[in-house]
Amino acid sequence: SQTIHQWPATLVQPVGSPLSLECTVEGTSNPNLYWYRQAAGRGLQLLFYSVGIGQISSEVPQNLSASRPQDRQFILSSKKLLLSDSGFYLCAWSFTGYGYTFGSGTRLTVV
Amino acid sequence: QKEVEQNSGPLSVPEGAIASLNCTYSDRVSQSFFWYRQYSGKSPELIMSIYSNGDKEDGRFTAQLNKASQYVSLLIRDSQPSDSATYLCAVNKAAGNKLTFGGGTRVLVKP
Repeated sequence: SQTIHQWPATLVQPVGSPLSLECTVEGTSNPNLYWYRQAAGRGLQLLFYSVGIGQISSEVPQNLSASRPQDRQFILSSKKLLLSDSGFYLCAWSFTGYGYTFGSGTRLTVV
Repeated sequence: QKEVEQNSGPLSVPEGAIASLNCTYSDRVSQSFFWYRQYSGKSPELIMSIYSNGDKEDGRFTAQLNKASQYVSLLIRDSQPSDSATYLCAVNKAAGNKLTFGGGTRVLVKP
C-alpha cells in the first residue's frame, strides 16, 4: 500500500532563516506530487505541483521554491522566511483524475 | 464567483440526525468530485469520491452529484460527535492534475 511521509511535524523558525521541508511517497511510481499551504482558519492554497522528476509548476509567486530530485521525493524550500510564510504545509500525492492523499503536515511558525 | 463554493457554517446537527452539506462548482467540464474531512489541526482525509451523476453510498456517507446543476452534496446519516470536523469539497477539471478546493463547511455534532 502507498504511504506518504512528511517531516518535521512542527517547526519554529526566525524571520530570514532558510526552510527545507521534505516529503516522500512509498509504494507507488511516478505519482503527481503537491505542496499546499493552509493559513490559520483559511482554505487550502496550492503552492507547487509536479508530474515528474524535475518538473515543477508554481501556482503562486512568492519566496518559496520546490524541487523533485527523485521520483517519490518532493522538497519545499525558502532562502529567507517571512512572517507571512507561517502556516500548515501539506504534501499530497495522486494519480491524474483521482483524489489526493495528504501527508500529516508541517506546522510552521515564523517568529 | 469562486470556482468551488461551500457554506462555511458552522452546521450544527444533533447526534443521530442527518447532516447535509452542499457544494457548487463553476466549471462545467469538471469530471471528478471529492469530499475530504479535516479534524482541527490535522491533514485532510479523503472520505468520498464520485464521478457520475446520482448517489454513491459508503457506510453512513452518501455523496450526490448533479452535473447539470453543477452541484455535489454529502449526507452524513446518524451523525456522531466524532463527525465534528471541517468538510472540504474538491473538484478536478477534465483530465486535470489539480484539485480545486472549496473553503470547507464546519460541522458540529452536539450530543
